[in-house]
Amino acid sequence: QLQLQESGPGLVKPSETLSLTCTVSGGSISNNNYLWVWIRQPPGKGLEWIGRIYYSGGTYYNPSLKSRVTISVDTSKNQFSVKLSSVTAADTAVYYCATLPKRYSGYDGFDYWGQGTLVTVSP
Amino acid sequence: QSALTQPPAASGAPGQSVTISCTGTSNDVGVYNYVSWYQQHPGKAPKLMIYEVNKRPSGVPDRFSASKSGNTASLTVSGLQADDEADYFCGSYAGINNWVFGGGTKLTVL
Repeated sequence: QLQLQESGPGLVKPSETLSLTCTVSGGSISNNNYLWVWIRQPPGKGLEWIGRIYYSGGTYYNPSLKSRVTISVDTSKNQFSVKLSSVTAADTAVYYCATLPKRYSGYDGFDYWGQGTLVTVSP
Repeated sequence: QSALTQPPAASGAPGQSVTISCTGTSNDVGVYNYVSWYQQHPGKAPKLMIYEVNKRPSGVPDRFSASKSGNTASLTVSGLQADDEADYFCGSYAGINNWVFGGGTKLTVL
């Protein structure tokens, strides 16, 4: 049973870079049956896909965030991370790390989630 | 504004059934059979309830069922129970390694 745990600052100043890490336990991040993803949820709103990474480092990002986001993986620490630059108040959200498993026909259904961490962008 | 459209609220009495819709476009829900549904209780992380349009992960009761027609997906919760009261989100693959979600529906058990 995989467990995911987000960590990082809960307060970031406008124009600075948000940095969060997800630590994976109960399994290896080098498992090639999973994509490792970041999803966020502004207070009282819906979910927004940020991007994903494969254990070998291949990434894809939400086109609306692509110019500001970087996701990386550290297999030695069983962790993956997200950086979001030039943040504004609109980036205030609960940030979740999650897994996207490879099913028979493709990847679908985010099945393991971290508990989420609230990041507030404020001076 | 979310990419997928859900009604903001739905309700039903215990034991009854309720259906929540999720409307996308021919670029996501309408073309891919990668539609998923999530249940979220207040202050908790979302929980996967349905994937690939109508498949239930192990442990999800068969009271939860789902389908898709054209650009609209639907989640039906039968035999409503108090613990079913939560927010429900739909998600869909939108091509080129991109996923989109709905704004969520608050289900109230009367």
